Amino acid sequence: DAGITQSPRHKVTETGTPVTLRCHQTENHRYMYWYRQDPGHGLRLIHYSYGVKDTDKGEVSDGYSVSRSKTEDFLLTLESATSSQTSVYFCATQAGGPNEQFFGPGTRLTVL
Amino acid sequence: GENVEQHPSTLSVQEGDSAVIKCTYSDSASNYFPWYKQELGKRPQLIIDIRSNVGEKKDQRIAVTLNKTAKHFSLHITETQPEDSAVYFCAAIVNNNNDMRFGAGTRLTVKP
Repeated sequence: DAGITQSPRHKVTETGTPVTLRCHQTENHRYMYWYRQDPGHGLRLIHYSYGVKDTDKGEVSDGYSVSRSKTEDFLLTLESATSSQTSVYFCATQAGGPNEQFFGPGTRLTVL
Repeated sequence: GENVEQHPSTLSVQEGDSAVIKCTYSDSASNYFPWYKQELGKRPQLIIDIRSNVGEKKDQRIAVTLNKTAKHFSLHITETQPEDSAVYFCAAIVNNNNDMRFGAGTRLTVKP
């Protein structure tokens, strides 16, 4: 599984609270991604990183921010969670582009 | 940006039959087309991929075909088995853009 872990694996929070999800990789892959998965939408890219401190927006970036201070860690922050952000979040890594992306185990986030 | 459409959304076959899933893409510059399999509650995992300089690729019971002119690619699974039951996602990416776009997924059920 390409040494990718996500934490937490499950989280329930309330509307308006900040939430940070963490992705950690041990493969030294350059690229890292955050996706959300919702029924009927497949996987949609939120943000991605192409190196330390280098990030860019994806298809559904509104309401999310990211940071990458080390090669191995990519953080996704919901500044003020909303119910529409209830989803399963997957982190992925990629050694070079374009190539196979390896996915983490996912984080199920519920915003009440 | 790239738009990927996937059909059908659900597919049910008898064990031993073949299954075909089709995807179309919009950006003629796309040059990498992976297929991912996701079992219930698990992370997506790559099963096969194809690049734009190849028309067909096969790996045991799985094959992918690419028609660049028509901008569509297909996944073919022969001699289906119950363990092939899962959700399958196609995706497309442009070489100099790390924004991989996924289809909405096909839920394949193989009946014993």
